This record gives sequence, structure tokens and C-alpha cells, in this order.
Amino acid sequence: QKEVEQDPGPLSVPEGAIVSLNCTYSNSAFQYFMWYRQYSRKGPELLMYTYSSGNKEDGRFTAQVDKSSKYISLFIRDSQPSDSATYLCAMSALGGSYIPTFGRGTSLIVHP
Amino acid sequence: NAGVTQTPKFQVLKTGQSMTLQCAQDMNHNSMYWYRQDPGMGLRLIYYSASEGTTDKGEVPNGYNVSRLNKREFSLRLESAAPSQTSVYFCASSEERTQYFGPGTRLTVL
Repeated sequence: QKEVEQDPGPLSVPEGAIVSLNCTYSNSAFQYFMWYRQYSRKGPELLMYTYSSGNKEDGRFTAQVDKSSKYISLFIRDSQPSDSATYLCAMSALGGSYIPTFGRGTSLIVHP
Repeated sequence: NAGVTQTPKFQVLKTGQSMTLQCAQDMNHNSMYWYRQDPGMGLRLIYYSASEGTTDKGEVPNGYNVSRLNKREFSLRLESAAPSQTSVYFCASSEERTQYFGPGTRLTVL
């Protein structure tokens, strides 16, 4: 079992839908959680990061961490065709190496 | 401010040929990384450099070598390319936990 599990999709939704993207993890030492967005044929770009548990909101995006369930989510409200991309979760522990462990990514398609 | 740049963008090699992928960052980051990304496999770490003068193996180092030339530049070398090294290669840099990625190099080995 990989340390970080992420459904590869694709997830296809109509424009305007609320999208929920999720990752589960097994390492309880993870405290720092990130979401990256990767457009086709581009490098990943950092979308949001959160520390420990709770929610963080940035415009139409909300990142949520539930450490008791080892489960993180990224919600996208009022999804747009321009949100079509692959979304990768990543996480790292507080001490030691800062190198994050990445999920394999979920492909999202928002159709008009 | 260009961020992380990579050259070349595309490359086709024959089995057994060698090449070096170049990466540079202008964010004054200490740490730099090389990943490969294959369909269904996600990002896999090849090598990383926590600071100038140090390099360490990642998850899939076999068949690759790296050089941290200075704080800005981190190169990846394939000494004898194999078809299994056909992939998209990303360089990244970071100061702490968040990584900043380059645009990638698409490498095909025939």
C-alpha cells in the first residue's frame, strides 16, 4: 500500500458543479498538506497548503484536513472549464526531510 | 523572475546515447529535485540536493547521475539511455516544504 492514495479518475463534471477531490494517507507523522494543480503538458503548480487539521479557503477553493481519519480533501465551488487539470495531493512530516510524498493525481474534466 | 527553467523541452535519443538535462532556479532556494512522471505512476523522485555541494538518491536513481553545479543549477545526466527512461522529467526547487516546478523535459528513448 502506498503512503498516499489518490483516485486517478477521470472525474467529469458539468460547469458550475461542486467538485470534491480526496486523498488518504497512512503516515500519522504527516502534518503539512499541499495541493498542486497540473495542466496538460505543464509542470505542477502549488494551489494551496494547510498545516495540521482544519479548513483553509482561497476563493473558490477549500482545503480540508481530517487527521483522525487520515483524509484530506480539496473542494472547488462553481467549477469552470479552466479548472480542468490533474490535481495532486502532497504531504510531509514536521521533522526530518522536507521532501513531500505525492499522490498519483486525479484528472478533473469540467465540461461546459 | 523566471522561477525554475529547464532545457531542453523535448529530446529524442537512441538507446545507449547520453545526455544532460539542465535546470536552473532564480529563487535562491537551497533544495533542488529531479522527478520523473509516467502515466499511472505519479511523480517519482530520482535525486535531490538539500543544499549546494550535497546530493542524495531518491526513489528511482538507477541509470542517472546528478551534479549540483552551484546554488542555482542542478543537472541530471543519463549516461547510457534506455527505453525505460522514456518519461517526462521535472526539476523542482524549494526553501521549505512547498516545491516549485519547472515546465518539464519530454524525453523519448528509441
